[in-house]
Amino acid sequence: DIQMTQSPSSLSASVGDRVTITCRASQGISNHLAWFQQKPGKAPKSLIYAASSLQSGVPSKFSGSGSGTDFTLTISSLQPEDFATYYCQQYNSYPITFGQGTRLEIK
Amino acid sequence: EVQLVESGGGLVQPGGSLRLSCAASGFTFSSYWMSWVRQAPGKGLEWVANIKQDGSDKYYVDSVKGRFTISRDNAKNSLFLQMNSLTGEDTAVYYCAVLPCCSPTQWGVAYWGQGTLVTVSS
Repeated sequence: DIQMTQSPSSLSASVGDRVTITCRASQGISNHLAWFQQKPGKAPKSLIYAASSLQSGVPSKFSGSGSGTDFTLTISSLQPEDFATYYCQQYNSYPITFGQGTRLEIK
Repeated sequence: EVQLVESGGGLVQPGGSLRLSCAASGFTFSSYWMSWVRQAPGKGLEWVANIKQDGSDKYYVDSVKGRFTISRDNAKNSLFLQMNSLTGEDTAVYYCAVLPCCSPTQWGVAYWGQGTLVTVSS
């Protein structure tokens, strides 16, 4: 199974900050990676697919990069609505696996 | 508007069974691989199962193999998850989803239902 490890597990930041979340795969997954945002009590929302492609309707403040085993999600100019938990997901092979999540909190 | 509406969750005793349903609308259901994803209370997301467009291929996470069965009815735009021999570790919110996966035509697609809570307890 491909293990997905996100870092950090939690992150405190201020409104207006730029933050980067890292996702590392235990083996190469090409660009078969997606990022999701989840708020408490809500279903996840898709942000990025194919490592760097922005999902329709997602603001350009969100960006993704990487290939192989190392990936990043960057959020620029944080706003209050961006404070949530973020997950990466690989779809290179079964079983599909998610990272453990990164909780982004307001400082 | 895309909608995925899960139903069938509830309280069940250990060893019991439950059947989840998901009603899809607003997109061409028969064109996509469908998934079940679960989230235990306070925990992260865990993929559970996938089913191909025509139902001919199915994949499961190891922890549910032999106990859970995913199925679909394209005529009724519906997805199902039959869950048997349930344990406390199956307690979670279960989401019906179209995940980025499986073929290039689906990589840019992601739809999620609101989830249904399954609680396994005596």
